[in-house]
Amino acid sequence: RKEVEQDPGPFNVPEGATVAFNCTYSNSASQSFFWYRQDCRKEPKLLMSVYSSGNEDGRFTAQLNRASQYISLLIRDSKLSDSATYLCVPSPAGTYKYIFGTGTRLKVLA
Amino acid sequence: DAGVIQSPRHEVTEMGQEVTLRCKPISGHNSLFWYRQTMMRGLELLIYFNNNVPIDDSGMPEDRFSAKMPNASFSTLKIQPSEPRDSAVYFCASNTGEVGGELFFGEGSRLTVL
Repeated sequence: RKEVEQDPGPFNVPEGATVAFNCTYSNSASQSFFWYRQDCRKEPKLLMSVYSSGNEDGRFTAQLNRASQYISLLIRDSKLSDSATYLCVPSPAGTYKYIFGTGTRLKVLA
Repeated sequence: DAGVIQSPRHEVTEMGQEVTLRCKPISGHNSLFWYRQTMMRGLELLIYFNNNVPIDDSGMPEDRFSAKMPNASFSTLKIQPSEPRDSAVYFCASNTGEVGGELFFGEGSRLTVL
């Protein structure tokens, strides 16, 4: 099993739709998690941190399911500007080894 | 505050040539990471440093790759000799070294080896 797995997509959704991505991880010792957003030909930038069961920031909600070892990212009322690749990364447990998922590509269509 | 600074932003070179990529982490950050990103393999961790010391270089693909961090404000990633399959975007990232801390990325160096 890969350390971090994501559906590469692309997820094509109309403006205003709600879309959710999952990310599964193998290291049960990971305590916190991050969602990064990466625009085409740009560097990844932090979107949201998840330290407990979940986090909400405006239209974005991240939820953590430790029993099943996955985190999800929910985007409500999708905007054209949400089109990007979303990468998840568990905080390394006991090391500094941040391993990223391959990312999920989202396209929001007008 | 200045972010992570990488140079060059773009490099085109011929197979067999030496390539040196440079990174200046955010001042005060104790950990530095080199990643490589390709369409096929995504974002791969090559090596990371803590307090200028290489901690894990298991992601370095071959002996042709080497990385150094001579001081807290500078790191290099060198490829010698370069090959076409090394073509990728190389990102440098840094963080404070605290457990669970956010990574801050530079804008990346886009390498093309002909």
